[in-house]
Amino acid sequence: EAGVTQSPTHLIKTRGQQVTLRCSPISGHTSVYWYQQALGLGLQFLLWYDEGEERNRGNFPPRFSGRQFPNYSSELNVNALELEDSALYLCASSLGSGTTQETQYFGPGTRLLVL
Amino acid sequence: AQSVTQLDSQVPVFEEAPVELRCNYSSSVSVYLFWYVQYPNQGLQLLLKYLSGSTLVKGINGFEAEFNKSQTSFHLRKPSVHISDTAEYFCAAQVGAQKLVFGQGTRLTINP
Repeated sequence: EAGVTQSPTHLIKTRGQQVTLRCSPISGHTSVYWYQQALGLGLQFLLWYDEGEERNRGNFPPRFSGRQFPNYSSELNVNALELEDSALYLCASSLGSGTTQETQYFGPGTRLLVL
Repeated sequence: AQSVTQLDSQVPVFEEAPVELRCNYSSSVSVYLFWYVQYPNQGLQLLLKYLSGSTLVKGINGFEAEFNKSQTSFHLRKPSVHISDTAEYFCAAQVGAQKLVFGQGTRLTINP
């Protein structure tokens, strides 16, 4: 069974540009989560989508946004890129069973470098 | 606010020696606890999880962890490590609204 997939694996952007990262969850999973792993800041929760709706959001500015499609795949958009947005962006998925006992499975990540 | 503390940022051990990676959490409500491993230039792989029931949890690659509610700890152990265990290990807690809160990570280095 395929795991969580993310694309692209790497990308380089310049300050002020916009970027879109993509994530496909494990088959049968309806919840998708985004995390940022920036150097020195650890892993921080960004967004949670379930059944096409944004359910929770971390402490990030509005230029971080996303959406979830009917097939449960998801995009993370970052506008007006800043140097400190350079990080590994990790996507995770879970069953979305509606219970609190959800296990999140992570993809390989997209490494973003902002110059 | 819920928080997770990994007490050691780096742990060097010799091959075939035992290892313990320490994790403490703070939460006044029921919490679900996880250990993930991150190999260089890769994403996170689930090692094990505690949701309820037995406090001793066994995971993949010979790792196990013990949930201790009175000490609010969830330490990860392996009786004999291998070079291939070199990686960064993250303890995480989940409360309620599906958000994982991670510790800062522990870099495990195995020396031959």
